[in-house]
Amino acid sequence: SQQGEEDPQALSIQEGENATMNCSYKTSINNLQWYRQNSGRGLVHLILIRSNEREKHSGRLRVTLDTSKKSSSLLITASRAADTASYFCATIKAAGNKLTFGGGTRVLVKP
Amino acid sequence: DTGVSQNPRHKITKRGQNVTFRCDPISEHNRLYWYRQTLGQGPEFLTYFQNEAQLEKSRLLSDRFSAERPKGSFSTLEIQRTEQGDSAMYLCASSLFVGGETQYFGPGTRLLVL
Repeated sequence: SQQGEEDPQALSIQEGENATMNCSYKTSINNLQWYRQNSGRGLVHLILIRSNEREKHSGRLRVTLDTSKKSSSLLITASRAADTASYFCATIKAAGNKLTFGGGTRVLVKP
Repeated sequence: DTGVSQNPRHKITKRGQNVTFRCDPISEHNRLYWYRQTLGQGPEFLTYFQNEAQLEKSRLLSDRFSAERPKGSFSTLEIQRTEQGDSAMYLCASSLFVGGETQYFGPGTRLLVL
């Protein structure tokens, strides 16, 4: 079964706008990761945030983690058409173990 | 290409047939994972190996499914007596379990059971 939910399920924005998506999970975690998947392709790792971290940046990506609320958010700033993809959060309970994914947010960036 | 590779990329089979997929992880990655993803859903864990040892299997992995990783290198996932419900994308990932938790995914094998 999947760990949690992602919100919204779908998001449509104009190029240049910011995209924000949220992820909630159910159990305690070691870390939380965000992945991107282009239609019908494999997953690309974007960023990992550990349970003792609150915020992390990577290029145009900003991830926050609130372990008290069991939630995370991914912000993509200044979106581009190439950012069109599905975005998944995934949690790990212990280092090296399986990823438990959410249902994903489908993002459409219109040029 | 030093990434995770999977073969075949696509497989169409008739119900009741057996299929086998192969995954070649990134060299020296000691952990290898299999996931299954159905349309519109996130991937679901099936099983994982550390070197050649299979450490965990999901309840999703019925007795028709078997996975191996001989010699701790490539892995195979076999589905016997396929059913239409087995139609999905089968994803393989690998990681280096020395404090590194990032899993690197292959392109997947898309299975369609007719």
